[in-house]
Amino acid sequence: GAGVSQSPSNKVTEKGKDVELRCDPISGHTALYWYRQSLGQGLEFLIYFQGNSAPDKSGLPSDRFSAERTGGSVSTLTIQRTQQEDSAVYLCASSPLGGSTEAFFGQGTRLTVV
Amino acid sequence: GNSVTQMEGPVTLSEEAFLTINCTYTATGYPSLFWYVQYPGEGLQLLLKATKADDKGSNKGFEATYRKETTSFHLEKGSVQVSDSAVYFCALSGAAAGNKLTFGGGTRVLVKP
Repeated sequence: GAGVSQSPSNKVTEKGKDVELRCDPISGHTALYWYRQSLGQGLEFLIYFQGNSAPDKSGLPSDRFSAERTGGSVSTLTIQRTQQEDSAVYLCASSPLGGSTEAFFGQGTRLTVV
Repeated sequence: GNSVTQMEGPVTLSEEAFLTINCTYTATGYPSLFWYVQYPGEGLQLLLKATKADDKGSNKGFEATYRKETTSFHLEKGSVQVSDSAVYFCALSGAAAGNKLTFGGGTRVLVKP
């Protein structure tokens, strides 16, 4: 079956513009994660959705970042008034139940703010 | 909160050498532990996992044992190949933190022929 799909794969935007990044998780997976990976760096947790529970937003770096997950499926990460330091690869992952179940990652969206 | 610490890279080895990547964690309760791998140009994928103390995860010749007494989950491979060149991430997930998946900083491994 299809894996985790992210779009766009690459996005170049001007500083100050808003961007939306999309994630289509594997069908039936209740857990969905967003991470950020800067060049040569590790994975920075952003937000975690689990079923109908309130999302864990503890990793969002500022109020310019927000995310939603509609109908327990597709998720959109929105960055408002982008800054150069937002340039990174944004990774989405889904897992059947979270916890000890395997997380499947998408290929990521490479965001470049110029 | 939960955290994962792993040795910094890069680690450079010759083919057939022994590889160890240290990973220690801090967590409340009994988390599940994972190693994920990111090969050049590819997405992250699960390498192995262990869900309770003393469990050993293994895959592709790699092994890691869940050591609760030392809060560690070190990754080992007895004889590496050039194709093992990648970035390796240790991670944990625990019910006490809402089952969020927390990663270490990653260790880049380069295997030379």
